[in-house]
Amino acid sequence: DAGVTQSPTHLIKTRGQQVTLRCSPKSGHDTVSWYQQALGQGPQFIFQYYEEEERQRGNFPDRFSGHQFPNYSSELNVNALLLGDSALYLCASSQAGSYGYTFGSGTRLTVV
Amino acid sequence: AQKITQTQPGMFVQEKEAVTLDCTYDTSDQSYGLFWYKQPSSGEMIFLIYQGSYDEQNATEGRYSLNFQKARKSANLVISASQLGDSAMYFCAMRRWGSGNTGKLIFGQGTTLQVKP
Repeated sequence: DAGVTQSPTHLIKTRGQQVTLRCSPKSGHDTVSWYQQALGQGPQFIFQYYEEEERQRGNFPDRFSGHQFPNYSSELNVNALLLGDSALYLCASSQAGSYGYTFGSGTRLTVV
Repeated sequence: AQKITQTQPGMFVQEKEAVTLDCTYDTSDQSYGLFWYKQPSSGEMIFLIYQGSYDEQNATEGRYSLNFQKARKSANLVISASQLGDSAMYFCAMRRWGSGNTGKLIFGQGTTLQVKP
């Protein structure tokens, strides 16, 4: 039973560029959440998708946007990249109403 | 607002000994859940243990137990018989339950645990 798959694993982008990160949830899960984890810090909630809609959003600017597809997979898009966007981006999937979350290994984004 | 505080940036423990990682939380909610995750250098968050606010008994999962003291708003993780593979970053996290709550997790700053042979 595959867990959460994130791609790519590593990414280097130039300031001002745009990036798309992808997440395939665990089989049977219908909800996807995205987190940003700066080096040495705890993860911060970006947003959550359920039934292809953004259900809740954390304190992140509109440069951060997302999408969920009918197969429950999700994308995180970040526009106009800043140096401060360098972080590990984690995707977590869950089933609505359940307390269990499964995290992927993350995408490590470096903005230069 | 909800908040998780982990006051131990780093901890050392001798192999085969027990260790306690501290976590205190702040919330005005009555219904919530508390989690502990392990994050090795690979980056993946590995679920360890869960405690619901209405659970009367402390949660246990193998070598992991959660010392839940609701009145003191603490949820400390106890790892018994530490192993070298336990060396990692450990995060305490919380979520709300109830209608309208999506289940976003609030994380603490983490504690780095190093197990010495």
